[in-house]
Amino acid sequence: EDKVVQSPLSLVVHEGDTVTLNCSYEVTNFRSLLWYKQEKKAPTFLFMLTSSGIEKKSGRLSSILDKKELFSILNITATQTGDSAVYLCAPRGSQGNLIFGKGTKLSVKP
Amino acid sequence: DAGVIQSPRHEVTEMGQEVTLRCKPISGHNSLFWYRQTMMRGLELLIYFNNNVPIDDSGMPEDRFSAKMPNASFSTLKIQPSEPRDSAVYFCASSLIKGKSTDTQYFGPGTRLTVL
Repeated sequence: EDKVVQSPLSLVVHEGDTVTLNCSYEVTNFRSLLWYKQEKKAPTFLFMLTSSGIEKKSGRLSSILDKKELFSILNITATQTGDSAVYLCAPRGSQGNLIFGKGTKLSVKP
Repeated sequence: DAGVIQSPRHEVTEMGQEVTLRCKPISGHNSLFWYRQTMMRGLELLIYFNNNVPIDDSGMPEDRFSAKMPNASFSTLKIQPSEPRDSAVYFCASSLIKGKSTDTQYFGPGTRLTVL
């Protein structure tokens, strides 16, 4: 059975801190892994990772995939209150479907 | 581009009533996904279509749920009869899948369903 585990479940930090969010997975016929940010509404896309060891960056956010050890991390540097959200990890199976983790709830305090 | 369009945005209904949720995917996308999100269970994939054909409906909770995609620009998710435990936010997402290459999924704003 496909499985996605995100950790921690919840995280509270102060503005300016750096955070690392973890995602481990077991997916049949793995194709890629996506990260989403969800505030109060629908998830919004952050990254899609397909190759091991290649870091993707977008501003203060970056992510990397390890297909051998079956995990991915999402880093956020110099956090801001606007980074407060639930971050969802979703590996993709062979038929295109995404398998979502429960998410990490990040709260950034001023 | 208008993005994925869902309607209604909110629905409140009584137990036993039929509920129909609607989705218009992004034009040109060939895959459509229905998700349900609750606090307890997180985001769950219910069913997805590729070229209007249901590929995997293993996430559909039970026979009370049904989904259709009569054409490339419209899909419905129906619950009949509805129950209080169906209360959730239902998201529709679309993407373009070409062979082994897949684009990201773009989510609609969701329909918040409350069954009393």
